[in-house]
Amino acid sequence: EVQLVESGGGLVQPGGSLRLSCAASGFSFSSYWMHWVRQAPGKGLVWVSRIKRDGIETNYADSVKGRFTISRDNAKNTLYLQMTSLGAEDTAIYYCARLRGDGGLLDYFDYWGQGTLVTVSS
Amino acid sequence: SYVLTQPPSVSVAPGQTARIACGANNIASKSVHWYQQKPGQAPVLVVYHNYDRPSGIPERFYGSNSENTATLTISRVEGGDEGDYYCQVWDDSRNQPVFGGGTKLTVL
Repeated sequence: EVQLVESGGGLVQPGGSLRLSCAASGFSFSSYWMHWVRQAPGKGLVWVSRIKRDGIETNYADSVKGRFTISRDNAKNTLYLQMTSLGAEDTAIYYCARLRGDGGLLDYFDYWGQGTLVTVSS
Repeated sequence: SYVLTQPPSVSVAPGQTARIACGANNIASKSVHWYQQKPGQAPVLVVYHNYDRPSGIPERFYGSNSENTATLTISRVEGGDEGDYYCQVWDDSRNQPVFGGGTKLTVL
């Protein structure tokens, strides 16, 4: 059974940092692109970042570029999101999601974690 | 950037048919995917590649895509279908996925 379990969320002050983790199981983790998607309270889904199977290629939404870093440890089947310079606008549930496809036009998210809540507030 | 437009809400009586639209310029040229999100839960894929269903998703859920509108149709709506529905495509100009704003389905 495919499982994605996020952790690391919590309350952080503006300007602070946080590292999220997503533990994957039930599939060959190193064979998939992995993504982070966030959802502010009462709002819709917004894509944040993605990382290629081998970890070499990464991409970010403009809103987080230069502040967030996505990484992965295929030996530990774990995805990470290092977040710095956090602001109130980063308050959201952060989901990790597995991409079905090869990073192209037909791709979709076939599995999602349950999410971890990040609250940025003083 | 590529923008997907969804109505904020759709209401339907039990047993009737719900249609949720996802509009964008020439969306028919893209592969559209749909997710259901129930309150307090993670999104779940219900339709991919415009009209394919993952295993376990009832045949009552089906998608279509034509010209500037993709549509998720849910027939014989049940109370358990309530939730938010999001469409998603790949924005090749920015090389990233994009989601519609979401539609809240209410079963009257």
